[in-house]
Amino acid sequence: EVQLVQSGAEVKKPGESLKISCKGSGYSFTSYWIGWVRQMPGKGLEWMGIIYPGDSDTRYSPSFQGQVTISADKSISTAYLQWSSLKASDTAMYYCARLPGYSSFDIWGQGTMVTVSS
Amino acid sequence: NFMLTQPHSVSESPGKTVTISCTRSSGSIASNYVQWYQQRPGSAPTTVIYEDNQRPSGVPDRFSGSIDSSSNSASLTISGLKTEDEADYYCQSYDSSDDWVFGGGTKLTVL
Repeated sequence: EVQLVQSGAEVKKPGESLKISCKGSGYSFTSYWIGWVRQMPGKGLEWMGIIYPGDSDTRYSPSFQGQVTISADKSISTAYLQWSSLKASDTAMYYCARLPGYSSFDIWGQGTMVTVSS
Repeated sequence: NFMLTQPHSVSESPGKTVTISCTRSSGSIASNYVQWYQQRPGSAPTTVIYEDNQRPSGVPDRFSGSIDSSSNSASLTISGLKTEDEADYYCQSYDSSDDWVFGGGTKLTVL
């Protein structure tokens, strides 16, 4: 079964760093792009960026460029999304999703809820 | 870049048919495929339509997708509505400047 399993919920304080993960299984992890999508409370879906685990080629949405870092470790079939200094406005659910071609998403992770509060 | 505009909400009765629209603001709707994602309350999105009108395995044929160049829009049609179809639905397409564009989402109520 093709699946993406994300790390658990996080509660952090403003200014702290964080790295969340997304582990792929059931397919060739290095052959598909992985994307990250933000959903703020009660809001819609926003594309943040994508990475090709085969060579770590990464693209960022202009809205998130410089705000987050996307990486991958192909040896353990895992993609990451990280922040160096969290803000309260980073409070959201974050989803990873596989891109079967390049333009769409097919398999989604279960989501990681990040809460940033003092 | 373009935007995808969806109605904020739609409602229909069980057993009926509902259509959700997704209008592209600029450029042709036919220039890039449109996908539709279903998000039930408290759950992650799942794909119900890809490449304008293709259904992933496991998605019932009550779900269908289409595009209409005359209105520059895509549509998701759900027939034989069931209470389990109550969810938020998002359309998505791709902009060749490397932008994955989502519509704002439509809340479907089955009452």
